[in-house]
Amino acid sequence: GEDVEQSLFLSVREGDSSVINCTYTDSSSTYLYWYKQEPGAGLQLLTYIFSNMDMKQDQRLTVLLNKKDKHLSLRIADTQTGDSAIYFCAESAFFTGGGNKLTFGTGTQLKVEL
Amino acid sequence: DGGITQSPKYLFRKEGQNVTLSCEQNLNHDAMYWYRQDPGQGLRLIYYSQIVNDFQKGDIAEGYSVSREKKESFPLTVTSAQKNPTAFYLCASSRLGNTEAFFGQGTRLTVV
Repeated sequence: GEDVEQSLFLSVREGDSSVINCTYTDSSSTYLYWYKQEPGAGLQLLTYIFSNMDMKQDQRLTVLLNKKDKHLSLRIADTQTGDSAIYFCAESAFFTGGGNKLTFGTGTQLKVEL
Repeated sequence: DGGITQSPKYLFRKEGQNVTLSCEQNLNHDAMYWYRQDPGQGLRLIYYSQIVNDFQKGDIAEGYSVSREKKESFPLTVTSAQKNPTAFYLCASSRLGNTEAFFGQGTRLTVV
């Protein structure tokens, strides 16, 4: 079955880079996602990577995918206090019928200190 | 603006009562989902629906019920059979064949 694991906490200083790691088990996943959740809010899609890619860069965000080790990471450059949130990785597949089968990690609480 | 609206934002329920959480979307998405979030855990799928008048159980459906009478609406009822209902509930929607899901702002349910 699917299982997605993340470390629970990460603390960084403002201006440093943050790296949030995730491991997954389902090698048939088509996309892997990173979502951001601010306190008391829903999930906001940050970025995603297609399973046949190794890297994707989007402004301050860099996603690295190691398919052999089933390891996904999200690097945030020049981390700001506004980046403090919970970050979820998710692997995706389809239900029969085309619905979206997302399996989420436990989430990593990122705390940015001044 | 297109999006997903969940209401209410906060909900309090007495033990033994049923309560219904609302989820409406105007994105014209066929598929809708309900997730439950507990502290330190990822989101767990309660129910999903891929078409009007049809829905399927997710990983933790016991104690919950849903309906899908309209494409735009997917209400979730938390019944008295749910033993530990206090949680944050998130609704989402997507197009069929597209793995990008859009989330509402959530409803925090507290049993008092």
